[in-house]
Amino acid sequence: GNSVTQMEGPVTLSEEAFLTINCTYTATGYPSLFWYVQYPGEGLQLLLKATKADDKGSNKGFEATYRKETTSFHLEKGSVQVSDSAVYFCGTSSYDKVIFGPGTSLSVIP
Amino acid sequence: GAGVSQSPRYKVTKRGQDVALRCDPISGHVSLYWYRQALGQGPEFLTYFNYEAQQDKSGLPNDRFSAERPEGSISTLTIQRTEQRDSAMYRCASSLARAREETQYFGPGTRLLVL
Repeated sequence: GNSVTQMEGPVTLSEEAFLTINCTYTATGYPSLFWYVQYPGEGLQLLLKATKADDKGSNKGFEATYRKETTSFHLEKGSVQVSDSAVYFCGTSSYDKVIFGPGTSLSVIP
Repeated sequence: GAGVSQSPRYKVTKRGQDVALRCDPISGHVSLYWYRQALGQGPEFLTYFNYEAQQDKSGLPNDRFSAERPEGSISTLTIQRTEQRDSAMYRCASSLARAREETQYFGPGTRLLVL
């Protein structure tokens, strides 16, 4: 079955620093890949997704590229803000259900 | 429009009691999913429905857990004879269609505490 390995946290960065959160996956077939974000006290919401190899998902300054050759979907942002403090979950879906990684907690300090 | 709603938001119960958790998906969404999330972990798949049909229940931990969606809209996850290990956040999600690329929209969750 599908699985996701995600960079362990917590990650603490200063405002305007560069962010990378690594995610690799194993899956059968042609999975879609997702990043979900959970802000403090809120539910999960989709941050970005990519549905086929070489696709780049982007939203709110975050980007991730679907790399089939390395089975990776690393999340990046060039300049983080305090408001980006949250838990980030990588996920993969081959058919229907999403398999999530354990999450990476990010704290951005002013 | 309204998002996915879940009730109750918090539930405290004693070991051995039955609990029912409710999920009201986004109107018109065909697929509905249940996940369980332990503290510090990602959501773990439990079961999902396409309309009223339960398509996959492979994630249900044991036969104390059951779910239904009788009219293809609201769903109920029932845990019988609760145990302390059942304490977790239970999350519901819905999507417009049943497809690998579809976005799942999550509700706020029900936090269950079994004493």
